[in-house]
Amino acid sequence: DAKTTQPNSMESNEEEPVHLPCNHSTISGTDYIHWYRQLPSQGPEYVIHGLTSNVNNRMASLAIAEDRKSSTLILHRATLRDAAVYYCILRGFDSSNTGKLIFGQGTTLQVKP
Amino acid sequence: SAVISQKPSRDICQRGTSLTIQCQVDSQVTMMFWYRQQPGQSLTLIATANQGSEATYESGFVIDKFPISRPNLTFSTLTVSNMSPEDSSIYLCSVAGQGGYNEQFFGPGTRLTVL
Repeated sequence: DAKTTQPNSMESNEEEPVHLPCNHSTISGTDYIHWYRQLPSQGPEYVIHGLTSNVNNRMASLAIAEDRKSSTLILHRATLRDAAVYYCILRGFDSSNTGKLIFGQGTTLQVKP
Repeated sequence: SAVISQKPSRDICQRGTSLTIQCQVDSQVTMMFWYRQQPGQSLTLIATANQGSEATYESGFVIDKFPISRPNLTFSTLTVSNMSPEDSSIYLCSVAGQGGYNEQFFGPGTRLTVL
C-alpha cells in the first residue's frame, strides 16, 4: 500500500485558515487521495477526496500538487468543532486492493479559541 | 450516504469468552470492512467482508480469532473469540462502494473492555 506522511500535530487559532500537509511520493496513477477526520469518541468521517485537480466542498478544499506527490487539506475558517485527527489516505482499486482504506497516524489538529 | 448502526455500543467481558458485534447498514453495499482501534491509536483494518465470498484478513488477523459473517448486502457480524485484555479496543464497521473515488462510511463503533 502506498504510504502517506503527515505531521503528528498542528495548532490553529479559531476562525483562521488551516493548511494540513500530506506527502505521498509513491502514489500511483490510479490512487485517489482521500481525507478523513475523527472527532473525539466518534468514528471517522469523510472530508474530501481528489485524483488530480483541486477540489472544493462545503467542509474543505483539497489542493493537489501537479506531480501528485503531495497534497494539502485546507480548512478555510477553523472552528473549535474542527479539532480532530485528520487522516490523509491513498485509496486505489485493483483486484488485490479492493479499495480498502489503510490509516496512518494522522495529524492531530488543536484549535485554540 | 449510508447510515450504519452497531450493536452492542459497548460491553465488558471476561477473558476467555467471545463477543459477536453486529453491523447493520440502511442500504445495500458491496464492500464492508472491520477495523480495530486500540486506545490512543489509529485504526487498523482487520478484514474485508464481501457478500457471497469468504472474508479477506489482513496480516496479523486470523479467522479463528475474528470470524466474520456477511449473509446479505446490509448486515455483517464480527466475533472476537477467546478474548484477552489485549483485545480491549473499539471495533468499527465501515462500508464503501467499489472504486477509489467512493467515500467510505463508518459506524459509531463498539467499545470492548476485556477483564
